[in-house]
Amino acid sequence: KAGVTQTPRYLIKTRGQQVTLSCSPISGHRSVSWYQQTPGQGLQFLFEYFSETQRNKGNFPGRFSGRQFSNSRSEMNVSTLELGDSALYLCASSLAGTGMTEAFFGQGTRLTVV
Amino acid sequence: SQKIEQNSEALNIQEGKTATLTCNYTNYSPAYLQWYRQDPGRGPVFLLLIRENEKEKRKERLKVTFDTTLKQSLFHITASQPADSATYLCALDYNQGGKLIFGQGTELSVKP
Repeated sequence: KAGVTQTPRYLIKTRGQQVTLSCSPISGHRSVSWYQQTPGQGLQFLFEYFSETQRNKGNFPGRFSGRQFSNSRSEMNVSTLELGDSALYLCASSLAGTGMTEAFFGQGTRLTVV
Repeated sequence: SQKIEQNSEALNIQEGKTATLTCNYTNYSPAYLQWYRQDPGRGPVFLLLIRENEKEKRKERLKVTFDTTLKQSLFHITASQPADSATYLCALDYNQGGKLIFGQGTELSVKP
């Protein structure tokens, strides 16, 4: 059974640009969550999608957005990048939601904003 | 807002000993609590999930307890090995849905 796949693995962007990250969940999983991980703040929840609907949202500015497609694949977009957006972005998939069932994380996308 | 604290940023123990990691939380009563392991440069890997009505759960050398009165979870690794060296993260569910709130993690180092 294939795991959670995130692309790309590494990304370097310039301030002010926008970026789109992709996540393919485990087959059969309908919940996809996104997290930002930085040394100072740890793992912070961005948002969660279940069957193409956003069910939960974290405390991030509107520059961070996402969507989920009918095949459960998800994308995350960050517009007008800031230096502080440099982080490891992790995607997690689960059957019902990462709270009540185990979450399977991808390897992450390392975003560097210069 | 919900807050999770893991006892220390780093824990050093000798091989063969039991490692005990602590997770304390405030301002919330989660229905589920989970523990993950994370190695450098990789995503977290699920270890154990415990529900609010469960006191203890075991899996091989791992044991987790959940005390909803103390608002605390303890995570034990018995007969620890150098391969157990990693960062361990405690996480609570929020809203019994798709949101996990993570602690900062405890970096465990097991010396031979």
